Amino acid sequence: QVQLQESGPGLVKPSGTLSLTCAVSGGSISSANWWSWVRQPPGKGLEWIGQIHQAGNTNYNPSLESRVTVLVDKSNNRLSLRMTSVTAADTAVYYCARHIPVTNTLGFDSWGQGTLVTVSA
Amino acid sequence: EIVLTQSPGTLSLSPGDRATLSCRTSQSVGSAYLAWYQHKPGQAPRLLFYGTSNRATGIPDRFSASGSGTDFTLTISRLESEDFAVYYCQRYGSSPLYTFGQGTKLEI
Repeated sequence: QVQLQESGPGLVKPSGTLSLTCAVSGGSISSANWWSWVRQPPGKGLEWIGQIHQAGNTNYNPSLESRVTVLVDKSNNRLSLRMTSVTAADTAVYYCARHIPVTNTLGFDSWGQGTLVTVSA
Repeated sequence: EIVLTQSPGTLSLSPGDRATLSCRTSQSVGSAYLAWYQHKPGQAPRLLFYGTSNRATGIPDRFSASGSGTDFTLTISRLESEDFAVYYCQRYGSSPLYTFGQGTKLEI
């Protein structure tokens, strides 16, 4: 079963750039077409950030699109998330997730444990 | 933007009880594009159902899900202690592509 593990700095300064990596193990990035990043601010619900196809196509949440970049590195079996101009509102647990490899349906069937990113000076 | 409204916000039940959780969408959602997740503190969310009613791998059959259009339901027939968690519905559609409900907290 594929496993995902997020990593990156736990503290980012306001106006700085958040950079996270999601390592995929137990399977290939090619095991699914789409992969997403999702976040959860403290005490709040889940918010979808963006997705990337294994071929590199991306889609983003319009509320974040101007600040977010998602990349895929198939040779190293990992994804990355970059978010610029962060504020305290970007403090959250960030998850990467795999879209279920079933056509024409919805479900994120594998998730990382999540990594807490705090935006603070 | 499609809004997903989950009710109740909090559901207080006991082991052995039946739980019924609702997810209503502000616009009709294709049944293929509605999913349910279980989320416990400090853990990864767990996919329960995809495509409205297709049970994900390893999900016990005391969990069931149904619905169409704008009304979707997750049912847990006989609660076990491990089922107490927050449950989210999710839909795929127009921008943003994916939206989650605000969650239902199932507590003892």
